[in-house]
Amino acid sequence: GDSVTQMEGPVTLSEEAFLTINCTYTATGYPSLFWYVQYPGEGLQLLLKATKADDKGSNKGFEATYRKETTSFHLEKGSVQVSDSAVYFCALSDRAGGFKTIFGAGTRLFVKA
Amino acid sequence: EAGVAQSPRYKIIEKRQSVAFWCNPISGHATLYWYQQILGQGPKLLIQFQNNGVVDDSQLPKDRFSAERLKGVDSTLKIQPAKLEDSAVYLCASSTNARQGRGSTEAFFGQGTRLTVV
Repeated sequence: GDSVTQMEGPVTLSEEAFLTINCTYTATGYPSLFWYVQYPGEGLQLLLKATKADDKGSNKGFEATYRKETTSFHLEKGSVQVSDSAVYFCALSDRAGGFKTIFGAGTRLFVKA
Repeated sequence: EAGVAQSPRYKIIEKRQSVAFWCNPISGHATLYWYQQILGQGPKLLIQFQNNGVVDDSQLPKDRFSAERLKGVDSTLKIQPAKLEDSAVYLCASSTNARQGRGSTEAFFGQGTRLTVV
């Protein structure tokens, strides 16, 4: 079945450092890919998405590119802030899977001032 | 636009007791999901509704969990009897009609109900 694998955390960075969180997926169909973020004490929020190969999703300085050849959707940000501290989930949604959203295990990011 | 509403936000019960959670999806969203998120893990789908019909309940522990969406709008998830391992955040999400979806069918999530079983 469909699955998502993302790098284990926690990831600890200093403010203004470069962030990469790796994500790879397995899908029987042609999925849409997402990054969700969960700030402390809050619900899941969609951060960005991409629906086809080579699409780049971007929001709040974060970017991720849909790479079909490597089945990857790595999250990047050039300069992180303390306010980016949260848990980040890579996810996919696939017509073959009934469009349910399947999540990775999450990566916790701590950003130090 | 109002988001997905869930209640209660927190619940503490003793094992073997029963509990119910309520969810009201975004207006017009035909698809409703219940997820279980255990601490330190990603959300796991429990059940997916399309209007008032069940699309996928393969991961729902049916001996103790039940869910309904009688009028195709709001939904309740019940656990009876609860076990210690049911301690988790229960998330409700909704999306536009998945069966007719083209491209992205992103899910919108509520704040969740944090259940503690003691």
